[in-house]
Amino acid sequence: EIVLTQSPATLSLSPGERATLSCRASQSISSNLGWYQQKPGQAPRLLIYYASNRATGIPARFSGSGSGTDFTLTISSLEPEDFAVYYCQHRETFGQGTKVEIK
Amino acid sequence: EVQLVESGGGLVQPGGSLRLSCAASGFTFSSYSMNWVRQAPGKGLEWVSFISDSSRSATYYADSVKGRFTVSRDNAKNSLYLQMDSLRDEDTAVYYCAREYYDLGKWFDPWGQGTLVTVSS
Repeated sequence: EIVLTQSPATLSLSPGERATLSCRASQSISSNLGWYQQKPGQAPRLLIYYASNRATGIPARFSGSGSGTDFTLTISSLEPEDFAVYYCQHRETFGQGTKVEIK
Repeated sequence: EVQLVESGGGLVQPGGSLRLSCAASGFTFSSYSMNWVRQAPGKGLEWVSFISDSSRSATYYADSVKGRFTVSRDNAKNSLYLQMDSLRDEDTAVYYCAREYYDLGKWFDPWGQGTLVTVSS
């Protein structure tokens, strides 16, 4: 069974700063990784699929990279609405999440 | 607009049963596989079950619910269901239905707003 480990657990940043979130798989998963954003009281939303493809309607400030076991979600310049929890996903497995909070 | 709306959550005693529903609109429901994903209070996401599109009707479950939960669908009603029996305290969670989107891999898009299930005496 694949395990996804996200780091850090919490990222404290200011609006306008760059956010870099990490997801590591316990074994190679090629580029088969997605990223989701969840705001308080809301359902998750697909941001990135197949490691680097933005889902429909997702702003260009969100980008994904990586393959094999190491993946990164980058938010180039944080907007107020980007402060949320982010999850990585491979098939039926989710990472434990990274909370991006306002510093 | 693609929309998923869950219902049926509530308070139930341990050992009890509950049936969740998910009403789909804005897309050809019968052509898509569907999933249930849950989130315990303050915790992360946990996949619960899968049902394939109408052509195959395969079902799969997480080990934590296998033998207790049953997923089904009614394509004529554009609806997805989750029958939950022998409920335990640890089944307390918001339950989301999510359409399976397949493009180079399996993704969940979109999600419903969720329905809260509380198992407590």
